[in-house]
Order: sequence, then structure tokens, then C-alpha cells
Amino acid sequence: DSGVTQTPKHLITATGQRVTLRCSPRSGDLSVYWYQQSLDQGLQFLIQYYNGEERAKGNILERFSAQQFPDLHSELNLSSLELGDSALYFCASSGRVSGTGELFFGEGSRLTVL
Amino acid sequence: AQTVTQSQPEMSVQEAETVTLSCTYDTSESDYYLFWYKQPPSRQMILVIRQEAYKQQNATENRFSVNFQKAAKSFSLKISDSQLGDAAMYFCAYRHQGGSEKLVFGKGTKLTVNP
Repeated sequence: DSGVTQTPKHLITATGQRVTLRCSPRSGDLSVYWYQQSLDQGLQFLIQYYNGEERAKGNILERFSAQQFPDLHSELNLSSLELGDSALYFCASSGRVSGTGELFFGEGSRLTVL
Repeated sequence: AQTVTQSQPEMSVQEAETVTLSCTYDTSESDYYLFWYKQPPSRQMILVIRQEAYKQQNATENRFSVNFQKAAKSFSLKISDSQLGDAAMYFCAYRHQGGSEKLVFGKGTKLTVNP
């Protein structure tokens, strides 16, 4: 158990709809990262938040947005969904000073757009 | 921008044998981490092994070891005495040692273990 919690684990929705994915980082971790993994693909970095502030942005579509709340949990909002948005979305967290350097991953939220 | 390249999309190994997965990376930084993550069919991302760039000694975790060549920017993973449970996607990843930097992943190598 990495200590990172993602909900929901599975989500099926239709094109054009909007969904919200939620992530609770490990206790004490200030950074939250969102990654997208499409079928048989690597992990694409979407966005990072650090202590409530956007820190880095990757290949995130304008239809997607995220935020990190004062209690450090984060939400990824996906709107106007398209078939191609079907993917596994991972959240990861890391500490302010992470001696090990690693990111701790949740189990992912599998989104299916029909 | 940092990049990570895994040139072997697929590899296979016989149970109990040894296999080496390749990874190269490109960076202008001197302080960074390198990782190998395993993703089994459950899709969970599991850390296999980590290496700090300032350490000359190659990291080892039980049957897993790395060959870290900093000058060549190479970071290969050796799995000894391969087991059926080692079958998975393996991702090489880079992270600048600057605090809250993201992980940059390679595209992965699918490892099959044959009984």
C-alpha cells in the first residue's frame, strides 16, 4: 500500500460528459502529480501541484483542469470527454524533502468513455 | 528537456535465467535520481529499484541490480533468477534532484517469463 488513495477506481461515461477524479496523497506529502496512461502506452505527465499551487504543467489538454485543496487532496476534472480520453489516470505524491526521491503512486482511476 | 529511452519494447526470458533491460537518458543536470518501476497486469506502479546519480556504486535489491554508467547516461536493469511473477511492463524513469520535480518515464519494456 503506497498510501496514495484514488477514487473512483473505475468509471464509465459517455462522450461529451464531465468527470472528476480524486486523489489523497500520502500523509505529509505536499506534491501531487497526475499522469495519463493510454492503452499500451507509457505514462504521460499532466500536471503537478505543490502545497496548493500549480508547479508544473505537461501535456494536459485545455478540456482538463486540476486543483489541490488546503487539505492537500487533489482533483482532476475532465470535460467534454472524447473516446480518446479513455485511459488509466494515476495520481502520485512526494514529500517536501524526499530522501528517497521516488514518487508514490495510487492504484489509478480507469476511465472508459463510450 | 530530459528524455528517457527504452529501446526494447519487448523482452522474454526463461524462468530462472537472467535478463537485462536497457535504458538511456538525456539530461544536462548532474544531480538526479533514476528508477525502475514495474507494472504488472494489475496496473499498479511498483518501485523496483532506485539509484542516486552521485553514488558510484550500483544499486541492488535482492534479485534486481542496475548497471549505472553516468558518463554514458545508461541505466540498465538486470533481473537474476527470473520468476513468473516478474512478468510485467518495466518503466525506466528519471527525476531531477531539485525537490518537487516530476518523473520522466520511458515507453516501457514488456517482459515475458517463460516457464
